[in-house]
Amino acid sequence: GDSVTQMEGPVTLSEEAFLTINCTYTATGYPSLFWYVQYPGEGLQLLLKATKADDKGSNKGFEATYRKETTSFHLEKGSVQVSDSAVYFCALTGGNNFNKFYFGSGTKLNVKP
Amino acid sequence: EPEVTQTPSHQVTQMGQEVILRCVPISNHLYFYWYRQILGQKVEFLVSFYNNEISEKSEIFDDQFSVERPDGSNFTLKIRSTKLEDSAMYFCASSGMGQGADEQFFGPGTRLTVL
Repeated sequence: GDSVTQMEGPVTLSEEAFLTINCTYTATGYPSLFWYVQYPGEGLQLLLKATKADDKGSNKGFEATYRKETTSFHLEKGSVQVSDSAVYFCALTGGNNFNKFYFGSGTKLNVKP
Repeated sequence: EPEVTQTPSHQVTQMGQEVILRCVPISNHLYFYWYRQILGQKVEFLVSFYNNEISEKSEIFDDQFSVERPDGSNFTLKIRSTKLEDSAMYFCASSGMGQGADEQFFGPGTRLTVL
């Protein structure tokens, strides 16, 4: 069935460091891919999405490219800030089922000043 | 900006008791969802709801669970007889069209603690 695997955390970086959080997926059909972010005490917020192969989603300096050949959707940011500290979830929907999201286990990011 | 709201933010209950978790989806959305996240684990799909009926449910969503849209604004999740393993964060979500690429908007969650 459809699934998402993302790197385990926590990831601890210094401010202005480069961030990569790996995400790979398994899906039949043509899924859409998402990154959600959860700040402490808050719900899940959409960070970015990509709906077809080679699409790049971007928002707030974060980027991820939908790579069908490697079934990946890695999240990157060139220079992280303390305010980026949160839990990041990779997710997919579509494939054979457009009615629910499949989430990865989440990666906690801690950014130190 | 419209948002999904959930109440209560934290619910503590005794094992075997019934709980109702409440959600107010975004007003013009048509599809509604419940997910749960056991501490330290993945966010898991429970159920989706459209046109006043369940459109899909996971194997987690057994006979102890039910959902309802009692009026034009609320969407509830009921657990009839809670178990210790029901302790989790429960997220409500809604979406406009329910299509594959459509964003689901999530509420802040209700933390359920079963003692």
